Order: sequence, then C-alpha cells, then structure tokens
Amino acid sequence: AQSVTQLDSHVSVSEGTPVLLRCNYSSSYSPSLFWYVQHPNKGLQLLLKYTSAATLVKGINGFEAEFKKSETSFHLTKPSAHMSDAAEYFCVVSELNAGNMLTFGGGTRLMVKP
Amino acid sequence: SQTIHQWPATLVQPVGSPLSLECTVEGTSNPNLYWYRQAAGRGLQLLFYSVGIGQISSEVPQNLSASRPQDRQFILSSKKLLLSDSGFYLCAWSAGRPFSNQPQHFGDGTRLSIL
Repeated sequence: AQSVTQLDSHVSVSEGTPVLLRCNYSSSYSPSLFWYVQHPNKGLQLLLKYTSAATLVKGINGFEAEFKKSETSFHLTKPSAHMSDAAEYFCVVSELNAGNMLTFGGGTRLMVKP
Repeated sequence: SQTIHQWPATLVQPVGSPLSLECTVEGTSNPNLYWYRQAAGRGLQLLFYSVGIGQISSEVPQNLSASRPQDRQFILSSKKLLLSDSGFYLCAWSAGRPFSNQPQHFGDGTRLSIL
C-alpha cells in the first residue's frame, strides 16, 4: 500500500523568503508524485508532477520539487514567497491501478506574512 | 483543451432532502472520473470513481450514490441527506488509460451545507 506524509500541517513564512513544504512517501513501486495547491473554496490545481524522468521537477508559479529515492522524499520549494502563494498544499502519490487513483497527504497550510 | 465543470458552486439543503450534483468534462473522451469529499480542515476522501459509462466503484459505504449516464458526465446523488453529508465535494478527471499514473484535474467544487 502507498502512503504520503506531509510533515508540517502549517508553515508560516515572510514574503520574499524561501518556502519549503516537506513530503515523505512510501510505495511498493516506482511512484508518480504530484503537488497540488488549493486556494479557499476552490478545487485543486496541479503544480507539478514527477513521473520517473528528471528528479528535479519544475512547476508553475516558480515552484519546484526534488525526488529523492534514498530519502523517500518529494519536498516542494520556492525561492521567494509571494502573498498569493498562501494556500493549502497537497503532496500526492499515484497508485498503479486501473483507476489511476491517488493517495493524498494531509495537506500543509502555507501562510505568507507581509 | 480539457475543462471540467461542477455545479452548483454552493448548496444549502435540509436534512432528509435529496441531492444531485453534476460534473461534466469537455475536450477529452473516455476519462476516468472521481468524486471526493473534503471535510473542513481535512484532506480529500475518495467517494466514487468510474472508468467508463455505467461503471461505478464505491470506496466508502454511505448514503451517497454515483452514476455515469454519459461518457463525460458524472453525477453524485442521495435520496435523503444527513447532517454528516456537509462538506466540500470535488469532481476530478484523469486520462482514461489504466495504470498510466496520469494526474487528476479537479473542478472548482460544490460547498454543501446541511441544515
């Protein structure tokens, strides 16, 4: 069975400082991993995905994530936070099954202070 | 390009009333379709998924049901709503090839409040 652990339920940063949202996973197979962002009362938007190509994945809005198999991690980073980055972030692993179903982490709420 | 539509955006219903939430996808064929519920401050819970017309898999036993009458239409229903059915309901789709590990793409959700 696959699982995802987001190590911080809340992260607070100041505008212009780096962002680090941590994610660890467990998987029996070579996983596909995703980061999604959810703004209040909105659906989830795909930020980036890792599907066994380059281990450093660049996404939208300046975010990137690095797949580290030895550490079973897929942390999300951004060099400089913007106020509009304040949202809930979900790390997700894809199960290798007929329905392409996803296993979600519990989410990390990112707060950005001016 | 592909788009996904959910409606209504918000809904207030009394306990015991019926429910019908609709989701449609455009710009793709034979997608996998999903219904999720997100309780306040919590992650997503998969309720149903469908890999084709008339094919519904239920992940959690409850008083909700789902149907897929057309290739790109997915409906979430209930005959009698409970207070515990309150939440944020999200529809999603992914490319239809099985075992392809494609990302899922989400609609904007329906905020359901039961009074």
